[in-house]
Amino acid sequence: ILNVEQSPQSLHVQEGDSTNFTCSFPSSNFYALHWYRWETAKSPEALFVMTLNGDEKKKGRISATLNTKEGYSYLYIKGSQPEDSATYLCAFAMNRDDKIIFGKGTRLHILP
Amino acid sequence: GAGVSQSPSNKVTEKGKDVELRCDPISGHTALYWYRQRLGQGLEFLIYFQGNSAPDKSGLPSDRFSAERTGESVSTLTIQRTQQEDSAVYLCASSLYSGQGRTEQFFGPGTRLTVL
Repeated sequence: ILNVEQSPQSLHVQEGDSTNFTCSFPSSNFYALHWYRWETAKSPEALFVMTLNGDEKKKGRISATLNTKEGYSYLYIKGSQPEDSATYLCAFAMNRDDKIIFGKGTRLHILP
Repeated sequence: GAGVSQSPSNKVTEKGKDVELRCDPISGHTALYWYRQRLGQGLEFLIYFQGNSAPDKSGLPSDRFSAERTGESVSTLTIQRTQQEDSAVYLCASSLYSGQGRTEQFFGPGTRLTVL
């Protein structure tokens, strides 16, 4: 059974602080790793799609790294702002189709 | 251009009734997905359509659930004889085909289903 684990489940961070969280996935049959941000009352939106071991991607204050050999990805947020409050989902593709399996997410709360 | 749309946005139904949820994907997106999120749970895969290939139905929780897609456009998810545990937000997403899960998915606003 494919398992995508995210930790921590929930996180409270003071505004202005930096933070990071983890996505773990099976290291065999890797095709792609996705990160999505899901704000309350909105739909999930893609942040990154990563495919290569050692990949690093950045969008503004948010960045992600990928280690396919050991099966993990980190998402980093620098200088957290209130608008960063959301659930961050990672998803893993391991087959030669486009189906991806989501983790349960890390719920991030930014404290003013 | 237009994003993924879903209707209705909210649906309240009585236990035992059938419901039909609709998804209009982004034009040109051959891959379409249905997910649901029950209260306090993660995003649960239900079904995946890709072009004219047989759909991947491995996530459908019971035979009360079915889905169809007309060509590469509209999809409907039907739940027969609804149960209270079917209450959830049902999300549809679409993407360009990559064959290796390498294209981002675009999500619709969801349908919130409440079964009384």
